[in-house]
Amino acid sequence: EAGVAQSPRYKIIEKRQSVAFWCNPISGHATLYWYQQILGQGPKLLIQFQNNGVVDDSQLPKDRFSAERLKGVDSTLKIQPAKLEDSAVYLCASSRAGQGGDEQYFGPGTRLTVT
Amino acid sequence: DAKTTQPNSMESNEEEPVHLPCNHSTISGTDYIHWYRQLPSQGPEYVIHGLTSNVNNRMASLAIAEDRKSSTLILHRATLRDAAVYYCILTSYNFNKFYFGSGTKLNVKP
Repeated sequence: EAGVAQSPRYKIIEKRQSVAFWCNPISGHATLYWYQQILGQGPKLLIQFQNNGVVDDSQLPKDRFSAERLKGVDSTLKIQPAKLEDSAVYLCASSRAGQGGDEQYFGPGTRLTVT
Repeated sequence: DAKTTQPNSMESNEEEPVHLPCNHSTISGTDYIHWYRQLPSQGPEYVIHGLTSNVNNRMASLAIAEDRKSSTLILHRATLRDAAVYYCILTSYNFNKFYFGSGTKLNVKP
């Protein structure tokens, strides 16, 4: 079974520029998650999709971050405009149905550096 | 979100057992206990999870206290590849939302 795919793996941009990350979850997984992991901290959930609907985006900075999951498969996370504090690893994960006992499968992440 | 408390770091010798503790005194009766680990420069990976009873799999064992307010992840024979940050996470029964704390950084000495 193919794992969660993410691209790009690394990205360097200047502040106030925009950037987009792409995620392709495991085939058949209904739930998709985006996390932000700042160096030295645990991952923080930004947004959770169930199929193509948002079930939790309470920690997404909506003035600059946006995410979509068209057709309930792959997803894009965008930052516009980027700030220095957005430097982090952005992780995508998926799970079968989003139930409490489900395992989450994580991708390798995209390391973003904002200069 | 129910929170967990873990030691910041632990050290173990290679090929010895490791017991990683986690306190979750505010756990509700239907919360699952998950353990994930994160190796350097990788995304977190699943280790084990349980609800009420102790659980075993090929990677580890999970011992859950009778009152469910604490749990222990047991690695039976630590290897150098087990050096990672280990996260203890609670999720509600019907909603798979993870809150990652700071985790426990496990160092394994040869």
